[in-house]
Parts: sequence; structure tokens; C-alpha cells
Amino acid sequence: QQQVKQSPQSLIVQKGGIPIINCAYENTAFDYFPWYQQFPGKGPALLIAIRPDVSEKKEGRFTISFNKSAKQFSLHIMDSQPGDSATYFCAASYSGNEKLTFGTGTRLTIIP
Amino acid sequence: GAGVSQSPSNKVTEKGKDVELRCDPISGHTALYWYRQSLGQGLEFLIYFQGNSAPDKSGLPSDRFSAERTGGSVSTLTIQRTQQEDSAVYLCASSSLTGINTEAFFGQGTRLTVV
Repeated sequence: QQQVKQSPQSLIVQKGGIPIINCAYENTAFDYFPWYQQFPGKGPALLIAIRPDVSEKKEGRFTISFNKSAKQFSLHIMDSQPGDSATYFCAASYSGNEKLTFGTGTRLTIIP
Repeated sequence: GAGVSQSPSNKVTEKGKDVELRCDPISGHTALYWYRQSLGQGLEFLIYFQGNSAPDKSGLPSDRFSAERTGGSVSTLTIQRTQQEDSAVYLCASSSLTGINTEAFFGQGTRLTVV
């Protein structure tokens, strides 16, 4: 019930391409879905987050798409750059219990 | 402080020894989390403190692991009788739980190596 499944495990994309990372959850009580970005040697940092009352959220080149009926959400990175190379984690939590449950992470490499 | 501070940044210890890892959360943050990240792996939840409520210890892997949070601020994660499989980066995070944005801010972690 608490699990968040993330795919792919790793992803290599040409500069300018649109990497897509997918997550699926089981617990219908989840109502907060953030994405975290982690660079080597650093702690994860919040990138963008969505609540289930909207199906899409954009912040700069980053977009979250959310499908409540399928219990899936995804991260899209437009016009990807080598500086976007990092590990990305999706997560979920619910009101009243803000403990974040993380996906297993996706190592993204953007090649010039 | 400006962010979540963890110490030490690196710790090498002999198998069987006890270690203490410290976390200073962002001032005013009521929630504090400990996660473990093994090499190239995801974030494994360990324990969660929320205000004065009893902590959620459901992620602690064994009774060798314990954590406390004194005065609602600083937290210490203790690992007794360390084993080689305990080697990992231990990450602490805190959040303010405004009810609108529950962003968790992470420290840079403590890299623990058990030899």
C-alpha cells in the first residue's frame, strides 16, 4: 500500500530530447506527489510537486503529468541539458501523515 | 542555520562499534526524517518525528538502530554493533508541515563505512 514504483532505473537522452520518468502508486490516500533531484554527493532537493486536483503542472522546463484513475504520474524534462544529469526520485505522501515514500530513483544522463 | 546540517560528513568505523549520527534541522521545522541510501540505490525510510507525537519507527531495520530527537530540534541516529551491511549514506530531512507545501529539505548526508 505504501509502495511507489519508479521506472526506468536509468535513462540516457541526447541533449534537447525529452526524458520521461514514470511512477505508479497503490495507496489512494496519497495526495501529494513531489519529484526530487539529486546530484552526486548532495542530498535530494525538491524539483516540482503536484496535488491530485490537477492533471498537469509546469515549472520552467519541468512538467508533471498526473493520472489519478491510473494512479500514475510522470516527470517530463523539456529541452534537456547536460546539467540535468542527476538522479531523480518521485515520492508520495498524504495529509495527516507527511512521511514521504520514495521511488527507487532514475539515473538520468544527458549527452551533448 | 540556512539548511539541514548533518555531522559527521564521513564516518569510518570498525565492525561491532557503535556510531552516532547527528542532524540539525532547519529552525522551526516540526517534522524530521531519517533515510538511508545505499550505493546507487533509492531512499529507504528509517524513522519520522512529527512534533510531540510518538515517532514512526516502522522503517528501522533492526533493534540495533535507534533515534531520538531532543527538544523538538536536534536528532541523533544511533547504530549499535555496526555491521558491514550498515554501510550507506544516512540522510536527514526536515519540513515545516504548513499543510500546503510539505517540502522536505535534505542535508548532505553522513557517509558511513563499516570495515
